[in-house]
Amino acid sequence: GPKVLQIPSHQIIDMGQMVTLNCDPVSNHLYFYWYKQILGQQMEFLVNFYNGKVMEKSKLFKDQFSVERPDGSYFTLKIQPTALEDSAVYFCASSLGQNTEVFFGKGTRLTVV
Amino acid sequence: GEQVEQLPSILRVQEGSSASINCSYEDSASNYFPWYKQEPGENPKLIIDIRSNMERKQIQELIVLLDKKAKRFSLHITDTQPGDSAMYFCAASLPGYQNFYFGKGTSLTVIP
Repeated sequence: GPKVLQIPSHQIIDMGQMVTLNCDPVSNHLYFYWYKQILGQQMEFLVNFYNGKVMEKSKLFKDQFSVERPDGSYFTLKIQPTALEDSAVYFCASSLGQNTEVFFGKGTRLTVV
Repeated sequence: GEQVEQLPSILRVQEGSSASINCSYEDSASNYFPWYKQEPGENPKLIIDIRSNMERKQIQELIVLLDKKAKRFSLHITDTQPGDSAMYFCAASLPGYQNFYFGKGTSLTVIP
């Protein structure tokens, strides 16, 4: 079936450094999402993205976060600078439309040390 | 935003019996309720969903019930098999973009 690919699966970064998480969404999908899951907690919505723009974001989407999908390639989440509390698993998701199935990737485990 | 509570967090059942997971939500405007299954090392996968214009939906051994008055919805797996062992997440979303508010998940183990 359709797959959302996330690269890498695990990334370790020094606090204060910049990190970019990459997501290869399902090829014809138009809506893109990032979720954050701290260990033992639920996945929490961060941001959605459509037509080159952030449509909605949550309180968790700090000023240090940004998303983009340059030239229809990877959908990326950039954190600059990283903080210890950014350590979590970040899930990317995509859907064709606003009321169609949302497909998730396997997640990228980010460890900020 | 919306808040979703999910219980139980851990569920162990005998193969062939039924398993039930319950979720509740706060915002009566929520209109879409998907259920995702996640196996270790894999991505969460949609297994069944229900919209607010329905009270019950069944796909093979999976049944979801929605009680809008009580703001509760539930997943029932009948005739469980070892392959049903996984994490299960319920979610709710409000009209508009499909931003999901997830429960904390239920770890289901089906004992052969």
